[in-house]
Amino acid sequence: TQLLEQSPQFLSIQEGENLTVYCNSSSVFSSLQWYRQEPGEGPVLLVTVVTGGEVKKLKRLTFQFGDARKDSSLHITAAQPGDTGLYLCAGGGYGQNFVFGPGTRLSVLP
Amino acid sequence: DADVTQTPRNRITKTGKRIMLECSQTKGHDRMYWYRQDPGLGLRLIYYSFDVKDINKGEISDGYSVSRQAQAKFSLSLESAIPNQTALYFCATSDSTGGMDYGYTFGSGTRLTVV
Repeated sequence: TQLLEQSPQFLSIQEGENLTVYCNSSSVFSSLQWYRQEPGEGPVLLVTVVTGGEVKKLKRLTFQFGDARKDSSLHITAAQPGDTGLYLCAGGGYGQNFVFGPGTRLSVLP
Repeated sequence: DADVTQTPRNRITKTGKRIMLECSQTKGHDRMYWYRQDPGLGLRLIYYSFDVKDINKGEISDGYSVSRQAQAKFSLSLESAIPNQTALYFCATSDSTGGMDYGYTFGSGTRLTVV
């Protein structure tokens, strides 16, 4: 069974700070996705990374896929209260259903 | 209208009752999924369907059944609800061009409480 771990489990920071959250596995994935989930809603896809070492930027969010395709990180620059939510990573690929991590719950205080 | 619509949004039911959760999508995707979310456990796959004639069990299918009535409709049933099925349930669709999943579109969820 493929498992994904995410750290930290909880993170509370002040507006304007930078942060990084991590997604790790002992398994290799063909692709990895990041989602953000707000209370009362379903997860919303932020990005899909498919190449080892790939870096993608989405405004203040930077996503990196590890060279060995077993881990990923999400870095947020100058966090804002609107970034508050549960961040989920999911690994999968060709012929595989995606496996989700337990998530990092981020709270950005004004 | 939302791309993926789930009904009901909230439901309280008694132990032993049969309950159906419904999902419809306007994305035109062939692949549909049912997940359950519990605090600290993430999303766990219950059932999935790659087309109308294809139904597959996920990692936690015991106590659940599904029906794919059309490309756009995928329902989840709890034949005899029990309290540990209390959870947040999500339906999702995915675009699988070339056999690779490019990301899921989730519904807003159904919060189910079994008392």
